[in-house]
Amino acid sequence: EVQLVESGGGLIQPGGSQRLSCEASGFIVSNNYMNWVRQAPGKGLEWVSVIYSGGTTYYADSVKGRFTISRDNSKNTLYLQMDSLRVEDTAVYYCAREGPYYDRSGHQFAPDVFDVWGQGTTVTVSS
Amino acid sequence: QSVLTQPPSVSGTPGQRVTISCTGSSSSIGAGYDVHWYQQLPGTAPKLLIYGNTDRPSGVPDRFSGSKSGTSASLAITGLQAEDEAYYFCQSYDAALSAHVVFGGGTKLTVL
Repeated sequence: EVQLVESGGGLIQPGGSQRLSCEASGFIVSNNYMNWVRQAPGKGLEWVSVIYSGGTTYYADSVKGRFTISRDNSKNTLYLQMDSLRVEDTAVYYCAREGPYYDRSGHQFAPDVFDVWGQGTTVTVSS
Repeated sequence: QSVLTQPPSVSGTPGQRVTISCTGSSSSIGAGYDVHWYQQLPGTAPKLLIYGNTDRPSGVPDRFSGSKSGTSASLAITGLQAEDEAYYFCQSYDAALSAHVVFGGGTKLTVL
């Protein structure tokens, strides 16, 4: 079964650090584009970061320079290292697999589809 | 404030048809980028509902349909059922921004 399971959330003081993990089963993390998406309380979804299968990474402007996405191929696990945390980083953090989808004529849809999501892990930044 | 604009809430009674709009701009949906829709049931992770503007993954009932025109997209739900009560998010891309993808703010569907 294709599945993602996040862990590592908790209560952190402003300025602190935390590392989130996302363990995959049923597929190989390093063969896919993998993302972190967050949802602040009562708010919509916000894309946070992506790591391509080739290792290239991108970040939302709101977390650039503070968050680092990585993966451990031997553990088939995705990570998000969060440093210099702020109150506004409080959210449920989801990892999501991104994949290309095509129409009947072979045209690839853009953007890609987030077709597998984890159940989320809650990060609360508060003093 | 989300790049893609959705109504905060919609409601309907069982059996009715409801629609949820997702309005972008000339650099997102209007530029030809595709729209995907996700359903988030209470306390659960988002689930892919519609991809490529109109297509349904296997297992999604045909009561759910999507469309796209100009700078907007819509999700329609016919034969509304109690279990459809959830949040619905649209997703696309905006070439004017540095974000990898953009999401709508989400719409809460209430089945009365």
